[in-house]
Amino acid sequence: EDQVTQSPEALRLQEGESSSLNCSYTVSGLRGLFWYRQDPGKGPEFLFTLYSAGEEKEKERLKATLTKKESFLHITAPKPEDSATYLCAVLGGGSNYKLTFGKGTLLTVNP
Amino acid sequence: DVKVTQSSRYLVKRTGEKVFLECVQDMDHENMFWYRQDPGLGLRLIYFSYDVKMKEKGDIPEGYSVSREKKERFSLILESASTNQTSMYLCASSSYGRGTDTQYFGPGTRLTVL
Repeated sequence: EDQVTQSPEALRLQEGESSSLNCSYTVSGLRGLFWYRQDPGKGPEFLFTLYSAGEEKEKERLKATLTKKESFLHITAPKPEDSATYLCAVLGGGSNYKLTFGKGTLLTVNP
Repeated sequence: DVKVTQSSRYLVKRTGEKVFLECVQDMDHENMFWYRQDPGLGLRLIYFSYDVKMKEKGDIPEGYSVSREKKERFSLILESASTNQTSMYLCASSSYGRGTDTQYFGPGTRLTVL
């Protein structure tokens, strides 16, 4: 069974204080790892898809990286508007397009 | 841009009512999904469909059914709503294949069953 563990559960940063969120996974044949951002009361918003170990993708202050066991979402010089819950999910080789989600990391960026 | 829309943002129903949640996507995606999201439990898959009139059970299908008569529309049905079905319901869609299998989500429906 595919499993995803995100840490920390909650992270509080000062504006401009860079940090990283972790997503550890076990999966039978990784077909893709996905990062989403979710604001309160809204649906998840797609950020990145990573397919192979060593792959990196960037978008504004966010950078996602992937190894064979985990993924990191690096946040550089965050702003208050980056406050949200960040979700990680994996698509395994044995699934019928079914994503396995982590519980998320609640990020709060204080001005 | 991919767009997934859901028929209601907020819905209040009474125990025993039949409830329909509608989802429409405009990207010609083959796959559509229904999830529920609860605090502490994360996102859980209820049902998904990989083609018109085709469906598969997810992790928590009990108490729910689905309908997909057209490619762009996927409906979730609560045959007899119960209070433990109070939740945030999220619809998503995706296509096949590496590079196109990202799931895109709608805005969600917050359902309250009294």
